[in-house]
Amino acid sequence: DADVTQTPRNRITKTGKRIMLECSQTKGHDRMYWYRQDPGLGLRLIYYSFDVKDINKGEISDGYSVSRQAQAKFSLSLESAIPNQTALYFCATSDRDGGNQPQHFGDGTRLSIL
Amino acid sequence: GQSLEQPSEVTAVEGAIVQINCTYQTSGFYGLSWYQQHDGGAPTFLSYNALDGLEETGRFSSFLSRSDSYGYLLLQELQMKDSASYFCAVRDMGVGDDKIIFGKGTRLHILP
Repeated sequence: DADVTQTPRNRITKTGKRIMLECSQTKGHDRMYWYRQDPGLGLRLIYYSFDVKDINKGEISDGYSVSRQAQAKFSLSLESAIPNQTALYFCATSDRDGGNQPQHFGDGTRLSIL
Repeated sequence: GQSLEQPSEVTAVEGAIVQINCTYQTSGFYGLSWYQQHDGGAPTFLSYNALDGLEETGRFSSFLSRSDSYGYLLLQELQMKDSASYFCAVRDMGVGDDKIIFGKGTRLHILP
């Protein structure tokens, strides 16, 4: 079983829809992250969390929200999806000794907004 | 603000050595990381340098010079499976803030 699991793996939806991407981990790590990857732009941080109910904005948090109700789960929501949110989304985790760099990534969720 | 510069593409020959450079500009630098990502895959954490010098892990080494705001990833004895994108990332710490910022990645092509 994967240490960091993202669901769904692929999603196609329409503009204006609410979407939730789920991430769960079995690493026991406190820190979790959501990144977005676009071609030629690398990975950009959306939100991160150091512990349950701790939420911090990243570089590109507008249009997104997150929830961390349990150590193992960190969900990302798009309240009203728009086409320029079409991207590959990664969840990642790190432990407290990891220097706060994401160490373990999920396999990604490919999201297409029509 | 923060910025990272790395070459968009590098080509090398199987069995050779290649160096991927990264320069950065950030107000609260705390460390430099490297990640590998194969096409269609998730990034994989390779290394982290918080102090100046060279860190070696098998065929891969990572170097940091904080005074020059510069680091590099060195790959030795290149294998075809090393064909991937490589990202440098800086840990940027400020008041009430601690996050990792990624560069745009270097695509490494390996020729047989």
